[in-house]
Amino acid sequence: SSELTQDPAVSVALGQTVRITCQGDSLRSYYASWYQQKPGQAPVLVIYGKNNRPSGIPDRFSGSSSGNTASLTITGAQAEDEADYYCNSRDSSGNHLFGGGTKLTVL
Amino acid sequence: QVQLQESGPGLVKPSGTLSLTCAVSGGSISSSNWWSWIRQPPGKGLEWIGEIYHSGSTNYNPSLKSRVTISVDKSKNQFSLKLSSVTAADTAVYYCARRNSSGFSDWGQGTLVTVSS
Repeated sequence: SSELTQDPAVSVALGQTVRITCQGDSLRSYYASWYQQKPGQAPVLVIYGKNNRPSGIPDRFSGSSSGNTASLTITGAQAEDEADYYCNSRDSSGNHLFGGGTKLTVL
Repeated sequence: QVQLQESGPGLVKPSGTLSLTCAVSGGSISSSNWWSWIRQPPGKGLEWIGEIYHSGSTNYNPSLKSRVTISVDKSKNQFSLKLSSVTAADTAVYYCARRNSSGFSDWGQGTLVTVSS
């Protein structure tokens, strides 16, 4: 199906590691990209391709993929990482899909 | 760095047509990028609406395709969105964005459009 599924909410203790996942059939064929969105702001690209970070994104953000699941890992989460995270991919028809988003709380 | 800025009416009547423009600065709209519209209803997630290449080629979300038109004006370095027959369900923050091989790499600040009489 042309959908991407994310857990609605995840929490992590300050300084610990958290993984946010995204599942969908399209991920077997196409890489996911990941976006961070803080309240009242536009989304920001944090991971794309196999595991690439745009300039300015801290190296504590990383991406991986296996089968129909893509993952965004934050190693050593900081208070400023508290945000909504969205995965994105495309399907075979060229349509772009977003996951429902995961709200990350840093405790 | 490319900057994008949405503009247009913040209030549209039901059954009317939503019209927005995205001005691109710091780069040419004729570069090798797709220019996209994405929306986000209040408190909800992101929904891709569609995109256009400078040649005029378009891709639309199948769920909105019958109501959406995206066009490009290379002389003004901008692209536009028209969404017809709007209802309250179309109330959202509308973003324009640049898509390249990296993904949606640059976004506008977003503009809230409310559908109400």
